[in-house]
This record gives sequence, structure tokens and C-alpha cells, in this order.
Amino acid sequence: KNQVEQSPQSLIILEGKNCTLQCNYTVSPFSNLRWYKQDTGRGPVSLTIMTFSENTKSNGRYTATLDADTKQSSLHITASQLSDSASYICVVRLPFNDYKLSFGAGTTVTVRA
Amino acid sequence: EAQVTQNPRYLITVTGKKLTVTCSQNMNHEYMSWYRQDPGLGLRQIYYSMNVEVTDKGDVPEGYKVSRKEKRNFPLILESPSPNQTSLYFCASRGRTSLYNEQFFGPGTRLTVL
Repeated sequence: KNQVEQSPQSLIILEGKNCTLQCNYTVSPFSNLRWYKQDTGRGPVSLTIMTFSENTKSNGRYTATLDADTKQSSLHITASQLSDSASYICVVRLPFNDYKLSFGAGTTVTVRA
Repeated sequence: EAQVTQNPRYLITVTGKKLTVTCSQNMNHEYMSWYRQDPGLGLRQIYYSMNVEVTDKGDVPEGYKVSRKEKRNFPLILESPSPNQTSLYFCASRGRTSLYNEQFFGPGTRLTVL
């Protein structure tokens, strides 16, 4: 079973609207949790990173939150733009291993005019 | 410009014909890794390297080989490709261990094995 589950699998929103993506993980504790944005046909690019003790991090219109008690993270996109159309991937870096990452399957966001 | 490059970007081949996908980074990173990405499964690690001549298996290493003879290069080798290796492949690199060191991904190589 994957250690990182994301929902929804995909969503469509109108330009200017907000949306929230969910990430549930079973790895605990962990070193850090990142959200990546992956444009179609390109490699993932880091949006935010949070350590186990942090509970929110922003990057422009992207805000990530972390609830260590419920083992959930969310990525909130404010005032969506057409360029936000992409796949968003939640990634947890496992503890005690420098190079072990657990990837969610991603949420595909489509922003329509 | 700091980047990870992969070649080729697209490749169609036939079962059993050996191929190599190259990966190069110009950031002097110690860590490099190969992933494959399949629909609904997310990114899965194939192999990783912690430095020159140091490599280890990831989660799905079967059917793949790697080498790290130079710090900047980390080629992925498929000795005898099979159709189940049809996938989107990403190379990534990262600096020495640090809580916040970001992993940089290449642009991807889409491989089709007929």
C-alpha cells in the first residue's frame, strides 16, 4: 500500500476560483513533506517544503498546511490561473534514510477560462 | 543555468534492443536518482547514487542498470527492454544531505517498447 495517498485524483476549476488538494500519509515521523508541481511533459518542480514541526508554508498563491496529528497535508491554490493547470504531487522524505522518498500519485488540476 | 538534462526525450524501440538514457547535471550534486512514472502509480525510484562509484537499488530496479563513473553523469541502461518498461523516466539530482536540499528533476524521457 502506498504510504502517500492523494485526493482527488483530478479536478476542474474555473479561473479565479480557489481549490484545495489533499495528501494523507502513513509515514511518521518524517524528515520533510514537499508539494511539487508538474507541468505536462516536464519534470516536477518544488513548490513548498515543511518539516515535521511546521504546520503552514506559503509560496505566492500556493499555501500548504500540515496536521501531524491526523497525518494530513493540504495544498490550497488561491485565485487560480490557467498556468496552474498541472499535476500536484505530495512527497514525503522518509526518516533515517538520506535518499528515500515516498511519492503520492498526484492530483491533476485543470483550470478553465 | 543550473539544470538536469536527459537524452533522448522520446524513444521508441523494440523488445530486446539495448538502450541507454543519459542524464547529466551541472550543479556538482552528490546524489542522483532515476525514477519511472506510470499513470496512477506516481514516481517510483529505480536506482540512486550517493556519489561516484556508489549506487544502490531503489524500489523497482529489475531490468535496469546504472553507472556513476563521473559526478555529473548517471546513465540508465536497459539491457533487454520489454514492453512493461514503457514509461516516463525522470532523472533527478540533489546536493549533500540537508533537510531542505531540493531535488531537481530533468525534463523526462518518454520510452515506448514495442
